[in-house]
Amino acid sequence: QSALTQPASVSGSPGQSITISCTGTSSNVGSFNLVSWYQQHPDKAPKLIIYEVTKRPSGVSDRFSGSKSGNTASLTISGLQAEDETFYYCSSYARGDSLIFGGGTKLTVL
Amino acid sequence: QVQLQESGPGLVKPSETLSLICTVSGGSISASDYYWAWIRQPPGKGLEWLGIINDSGRTYHNASLRSRVTISVDTSNNQFSLRLNSATAADSAVYYCARQVGYGSWYLDLWGRGTLVSVSS
Repeated sequence: QSALTQPASVSGSPGQSITISCTGTSSNVGSFNLVSWYQQHPDKAPKLIIYEVTKRPSGVSDRFSGSKSGNTASLTISGLQAEDETFYYCSSYARGDSLIFGGGTKLTVL
Repeated sequence: QVQLQESGPGLVKPSETLSLICTVSGGSISASDYYWAWIRQPPGKGLEWLGIINDSGRTYHNASLRSRVTISVDTSNNQFSLRLNSATAADSAVYYCARQVGYGSWYLDLWGRGTLVSVSS
């Protein structure tokens, strides 16, 4: 299966909101509510921030939220902070019992 | 709390087998309904899921690598392992082990710190 499609980069100013898209197909994102999002700082392991499209793990800021429409899932970060500047990856269950990731998005806080 | 730690050679010769172990500490590898995953990330690139295994040895693999990948579990030592045969330079990456919360969840809630493996002569 091909990787999910994410924009290479997004940017926003402190306090603003940004949205990162994650586009798949009817074989993955569109057919299952099993999209998750990970935050990865350089040289660190990814950290789960959203699972099952909209759920937040304990301890993750409520500034992070997820949604899905059709074959596209989205991560929204509100009230941007400097510490949010890093890489974000989406993933989805794919028909045939596998997990696929997006190519990653670099968020820049201006 | 539960922690994961990858271990293994940092350098592998081309055509040889890349072998890594993930040790689970602070909890049992057989607890609940967890699956245990391997993911890799080539330098400067994105994440690639390699496969998962549960404590009974049930596995699911990335179809593009299935013929080269073996994932196994050793419950007595609270470890699971990855073997990738016929390694090439394209297999050079940071390899992570992680925990998946059950078969139906398909998200990874706990990750190891990762280990860099280079394939080079």
